[in-house]
Amino acid sequence: QVQLVQSGAEVKKPGASVKVSCKASGYTFTSYLMHWVRQAPGQGLEWMGVINSRGGSTRYAQRFQGRVIMTRDTSTSTAYMELSSLRSEDTAVYYCARESGVIAAPAKNFDYWGQGTLVIVSS
Amino acid sequence: QSALTQPASVSGSPGQSITISCTGTSSDIGGYKYVSWYQHHPGRAPKLMIYDVSNRPSGVSNRFSGSKSGNTASLTISGLQADDEADYYCSSYTSSSTPYVFGTGTKVTVL
Repeated sequence: QVQLVQSGAEVKKPGASVKVSCKASGYTFTSYLMHWVRQAPGQGLEWMGVINSRGGSTRYAQRFQGRVIMTRDTSTSTAYMELSSLRSEDTAVYYCARESGVIAAPAKNFDYWGQGTLVIVSS
Repeated sequence: QSALTQPASVSGSPGQSITISCTGTSSDIGGYKYVSWYQHHPGRAPKLMIYDVSNRPSGVSNRFSGSKSGNTASLTISGLQADDEADYYCSSYTSSSTPYVFGTGTKVTVL
């Protein structure tokens, strides 16, 4: 069965960077796009960006441009999201989510999600 | 890209039906069929409930249904059950530089 297992919680100081991992199993990793979505405390879901798990190309939400880098390691079927210049407003649960439909025919919805990674930014 | 607008909360008694609205613009909901709905129990991963406006993934109860009219999408839950108590988010593909937008979220309470 499809599983997305994320790395554990992180506590970071303002200005630091955080790298969250998302290990996929149960499907062909390189056949699907992987998205990252976050939820700040008391807030709704916010789309951050997407990575093509096959070719590695990325597309980021405008508000994260310059601060986020999404990568993947096809040998371990793992996607990564690194966010830099952290500020308190980046305190949130970060989710990876697979886009349903293979890369050749993306379906523009998210059928499997990781369990979430809590990132706390505090001095 | 602004978040899609949802009511903050909706409630109903067991067995009743409720409807959650999700209002956007012609650049998102009104322009595409790619509206989806997610159920989110706190502490758990969100779950896809509806995709492409009105389609249910395999395994999702037929008590959940979706529709769209103009720039507003709706999720209806019929035969409300205790386990339906959760947060619900709509999402749409958009024509903006940020291609996906979520709704503000609706807390469903089963009385």
